[in-house]
Parts: sequence; structure tokens; C-alpha cells
Amino acid sequence: SQQGEEDPQALSIQEGENATMNCSYKTSINNLQWYRQNSGRGLVHLILIRSNEREKHSGRLRVTLDTSKKSSSLLITASRAADTASYFCATDARTGNQFYFGTGTSLTVIP
Amino acid sequence: EAQVTQNPRYLITVTGKKLTVTCSQNMNHEYMSWYRQDPGLGLRQIYYSMNVEVTDKGDVPEGYKVSRKEKRNFPLILESPSPNQTSLYFCASSSQRRGGEQYFGPGTRLTVT
Repeated sequence: SQQGEEDPQALSIQEGENATMNCSYKTSINNLQWYRQNSGRGLVHLILIRSNEREKHSGRLRVTLDTSKKSSSLLITASRAADTASYFCATDARTGNQFYFGTGTSLTVIP
Repeated sequence: EAQVTQNPRYLITVTGKKLTVTCSQNMNHEYMSWYRQDPGLGLRQIYYSMNVEVTDKGDVPEGYKVSRKEKRNFPLILESPSPNQTSLYFCASSSQRRGGEQYFGPGTRLTVT
């Protein structure tokens, strides 16, 4: 399997704190994306970073990508209770048209 | 409203009884895909389609079939379901053939007894 892995598997923080989750993957990629999933529901796209980019921001989200280490991190600043969800990274390999999702990080933000 | 729809949302069936889960998107997307989600394993791609009449295997295609006769529809077919196909299934579509943002359906929870 060429699936990525997120770390940590679960994270619990207080509202207002920052949350950082990491993703590692196995093959050379074109893009890396982060998705959010509220319990049992469909995934929602958060942000896409291309393989030639190192950092990207969107609102309270900051994504970094280190292709030499095959890893990415997602930082959510000033977290809110509504950020409670599972977060997944997804990659598309440089060759082929498949998508690979990680195993996810479950984030709980305590009000 | 731009969306991906799946039907049924919940399905309980017995081993060996053929079933079809429908998926439809109204965004004129070329790329469509099916995933299954299992606890601790994340999402795994079953099949994907780059365009009408073009389908290809993902990571876990065994026991599944798909077809893409129209651009908007991408049904998932289980010819002879088995209990290890009990899972949460998601359909997704994207405007880009490679590496684009995917729009997900609400999911179909399938139980095979």
C-alpha cells in the first residue's frame, strides 16, 4: 500500500490553542491535500499544496510540505470547538492517477 | 447546488445478493472515484474513472465493479457481497483528471451479514 500516515492518531486540545498534525507519505507526488471529516460524513477539502511549494496559508490553516522528507504538516491556529473533526492528508502519485489517503488524525477541541 | 449524491445512504444485505450503489454529480466533472473507509485504515480507493467509458483499478478493487456510461453517473456494483465488504463507502468527483480537489458524497453505510 502507498497510503500515508498521520501523526498523532488523536489529539485533544483546549479552545484557543493551536493544533498541529503531521502526514508522511511514501512516493513522489504532484500535490498534497488536506481534508476534514465530521463524524461519519463526507470529506471536505481544506487546502492543496503543490510539490514545488513549501508553505501555504488559508485563513487559520497553515500547511507545510517537505518533499525531501516526504512529509507535510497542518497547523490550525486559535482552534474552536467547531474544528473538532478528523483530518486526512491525500496525495496523488507523480505517476498514475490514483489518490492515496492517510489514516487520519482525530482532533477534539474542548470548549 | 453543486453536489455529489449517493443512494442508498444505508443498506443492510445478505451475503451473495447483488447490489448497486449509485453516485451522481452535477458539476460536469471528468474524474470520479469510489472509496471505502474502515476504522484505522483511512480511505482506500476502489476504482476511479477519468472520463466516460474510462475506468481503472485503485488500491482495493477486488469484489467490486464500476461503469461510466454517462459523465454524471458512476455506480458501484457488488456482484456477490461478502461480510468483509461491510464498510462506509464514499463517491467523489473532481474537475481535474489528476490531483485536483475532490468533492465527496455523503457516504453509504453498507452492512453485509
